[in-house]
Amino acid sequence: KAGVTQTPRYLIKTRGQQVTLSCSPISGHRSVSWYQQTPGQGLQFLFEYFSETQRNKGNFPGRFSGRQFSNSRSEMNVSTLELGDSALYLCASQFLAGGNYEQYFGPGTRLTVT
Amino acid sequence: ILNVEQSPQSLHVQEGDSTNFTCSFPSSNFYALHWYRWETAKSPEALFVMTLNGDEKKKGRISATLNTKEGYSYLYIKGSQPEDSATYLCAFTTGANNLFFGTGTRLTVIP
Repeated sequence: KAGVTQTPRYLIKTRGQQVTLSCSPISGHRSVSWYQQTPGQGLQFLFEYFSETQRNKGNFPGRFSGRQFSNSRSEMNVSTLELGDSALYLCASQFLAGGNYEQYFGPGTRLTVT
Repeated sequence: ILNVEQSPQSLHVQEGDSTNFTCSFPSSNFYALHWYRWETAKSPEALFVMTLNGDEKKKGRISATLNTKEGYSYLYIKGSQPEDSATYLCAFTTGANNLFFGTGTRLTVIP
């Protein structure tokens, strides 16, 4: 079974630009979560999508948005980039097993904002 | 935002030593506690999901315990090997499938 893929793996953008990151979950998984990791911080939850609907949202400004398509692929968008948005962005493909979600992470997209 | 703390932040041990580290989390509204191993240049890999107070889980030389009443979990590695070098993350959830992660314990095993 293919794992979670994220594209692109590395990205350099300029302050003020916008960026779109993509995540393809494991086949059959309908839930995708996005996380941000900045230096010295733990993984911070951005949002979670299930069957094309946003189910949960973390404490991030409205510049961070996402969506999910009918094939469960998900995108996240960051508009008006700031230097502080430089981070590793991970997506996790998840399914419910025994009352708990099992998460499988992708390799991440490393975003650098200059 | 729920506060999940891990200690120590980093740890160096000799090959063959046993070691353990701690994850502290809020004891209220507990649903589950997850442990992950994150090797450099790879994706975080799930180790355990623990839900019940007193839970003990084991995978090879790695084991974990859970105390939901006092809000902590321990991860133990017996006879550390260089391939155990990684960052170990714990994550707490209140039931919704958004995880609150600690900042991790970075383990280096010296051959």
